[in-house]
Amino acid sequence: SQTIHQWPATLVQPVGSPLSLECTVEGTSNPNLYWYRQAAGRGLQLLFYSVGIGQISSEVPQNLSASRPQDRQFILSSKKLLLSDSGFYLCALQRGGRYIQYFGAGTRLSVL
Amino acid sequence: GQQVMQIPQYQHVQEGEDFTTYCNSSTTLSNIQWYKQRPGGHPVFLIQLVKSGEVKKQKRLTFQFGEAKKNSSLHITATQTTDVGTYFCAGSAYGGSQGNLIFGKGTKLSVKP
Repeated sequence: SQTIHQWPATLVQPVGSPLSLECTVEGTSNPNLYWYRQAAGRGLQLLFYSVGIGQISSEVPQNLSASRPQDRQFILSSKKLLLSDSGFYLCALQRGGRYIQYFGAGTRLSVL
Repeated sequence: GQQVMQIPQYQHVQEGEDFTTYCNSSTTLSNIQWYKQRPGGHPVFLIQLVKSGEVKKQKRLTFQFGEAKKNSSLHITATQTTDVGTYFCAGSAYGGSQGNLIFGKGTKLSVKP
């Protein structure tokens, strides 16, 4: 079965610093990959999705970017973090035609 | 754009009481899914409904998909403290972007023992 690795689990960063969050998957090939952000006590906001290497679609304009350098690697980045970038970042994969998504454990980012 | 509305936002119940959360879409869905997120955890897939009028059960949980495939509900009978968490519905629209899901904002359930 597939496994999703996200690290770190928690991160505290100063405003204006860069960010790189990595998501790697095992046990599957050619998955659709997703980055979501969840503000405290709120719903899931889709940030980016990727259907293949080098293919990134952005759902909302923002201070973040994403890349997929390998089939099983999805990276979320920022050059300069804002306070509003704080939140719970979740990576998810989707494989097969049923459109079910499986989530990683997430990274809690606090920008101070 | 497509929206999925979920109510209520919060629900506080006494252990043993029933609980229901409702989900409504602005457009017809190809399928609807339900996820549970425990406090401090990540969303975990519970079930998928595909057919119009479909009803599925998982122990004390009953899931329904409306006849028009625009609404859904999750009903928990005799809640337990282990049911605590946020329940999200997520719909996939016909012709949507490569299987992307539109998530409702979730219903946060708290259970008082």
